[in-house]
Amino acid sequence: SQQGEEDPQALSIQEGENATMNCSYKTSINNLQWYRQNSGRGLVHLILIRSNEREKHSGRLRVTLDTSKKSSSLLITASRAADTASYFCATVPNSGGYQKVTFGTGTKLQVIP
Amino acid sequence: DVKVTQSSRYLVKRTGEKVFLECVQDMDHENMFWYRQDPGLGLRLIYFSYDVKMKEKGDIPEGYSVSREKKERFSLILESASTNQTSMYLCASRISAGMSTEAFFGQGTRLTVV
Repeated sequence: SQQGEEDPQALSIQEGENATMNCSYKTSINNLQWYRQNSGRGLVHLILIRSNEREKHSGRLRVTLDTSKKSSSLLITASRAADTASYFCATVPNSGGYQKVTFGTGTKLQVIP
Repeated sequence: DVKVTQSSRYLVKRTGEKVFLECVQDMDHENMFWYRQDPGLGLRLIYFSYDVKMKEKGDIPEGYSVSREKKERFSLILESASTNQTSMYLCASRISAGMSTEAFFGQGTRLTVV
């Protein structure tokens, strides 16, 4: 099945810096979503970008999507210690239904105060 | 806010036991999902349900079954627990209208089979 892959696997930055995570995927998508997971908890939806969109903003989050390269990036600006978490991309395919959503293996972000 | 509640945060069970993981959502969502999450493997879909009494296998259904007798409740059953089912289990729900909606997750159940 289609697999989203995040890059890097782990990222450590100082508070106030920007954090960029990337996601690559293999097949045609309807939309791509980013989720956050605090340690030992469930996932929380952050932002959704449709296949006909190139960029989207939500607060300190900026997501870009390049369907020609089959990749997306999540930028967190002015990071805070509370942003420490794992971040996952999820790709929703054009066909096959939502059950075919594929989650990546995640980027583990550590923000050092 | 949508709330998805899993019955336990942590469970320890013995090999061969029948294990029930319960999930309840309070927003009348049609779709419900069970995933397992293992390091380096991301989330893998075990089963999903798109309506009461309806279920479909996901990518890794072997050793599991599910039950959805009421719209708000989706149960995952490990028929005979084995050590390789030690994992984090995540329940999710979403409204079925279109593809551009997000999933809402429970807090997860960390299951250890000894």
